[in-house]
Amino acid sequence: AQSVAQPEDQVNVAEGNPLTVKCTYSVSGNPYLFWYVQYPNRGLQFLLKYITGDNLVKGSYGFEAEFNKSQTSFHLKKPSALVSDSALYFCAVRDWRYQAGTALIFGKGTTLSVSS
Amino acid sequence: DTEVTQTPKHLVMGMTNKKSLKCEQHMGHRAMYWYKQKAKKPPELMFVYSYEKLSINESVPSRFSPECPNSSLLNLHLHALQPEDSALYLCASSRADQETQYFGPGTRLLVL
Repeated sequence: AQSVAQPEDQVNVAEGNPLTVKCTYSVSGNPYLFWYVQYPNRGLQFLLKYITGDNLVKGSYGFEAEFNKSQTSFHLKKPSALVSDSALYFCAVRDWRYQAGTALIFGKGTTLSVSS
Repeated sequence: DTEVTQTPKHLVMGMTNKKSLKCEQHMGHRAMYWYKQKAKKPPELMFVYSYEKLSINESVPSRFSPECPNSSLLNLHLHALQPEDSALYLCASSRADQETQYFGPGTRLLVL
């Protein structure tokens, strides 16, 4: 079965410190991986994706993620957290059951709280 | 322009009402999606349209009826909903040959 796991419900960091939001995956095909962020009462915003190529992917707002095939992980990172980064973060993987369109399987989400 | 718009932003309806949610994008995307999201939970895929044809229906109850009148528009018709259908309904779109989905702000639905 295909799945995405985000082991932490909440991550707390102080402003200026590095942050990591963890994600592990299990897929039947190639791992196409995504990170999205959701602010309160808003839709999801795309941050970055890994399809192929360099294991370190750079995305929007200074975020990056590292693809690790051996550990089946795709952790989201940022060198210096901002209070405005506080939001709900979702990791997602392409669902290979479907070929038409691109269905995604989302993790349960991790709430990031950055304190000033 | 990576904008997906959704109307209305909020909707309150009774269990006997009929209403529709609307989604629009002008990015030339040929795949469009409906998701349902409960508070602090991940989005749950409901329907996928690819080139204006329904390609995925995730066993959604028939009280939800999707429609894709053209490549830019996606509707979700609602009829005889239940209070447990109250949620944020998200629309998304993507290029048919690419995986990145772009989401609208959602319609927050309350069923009384």
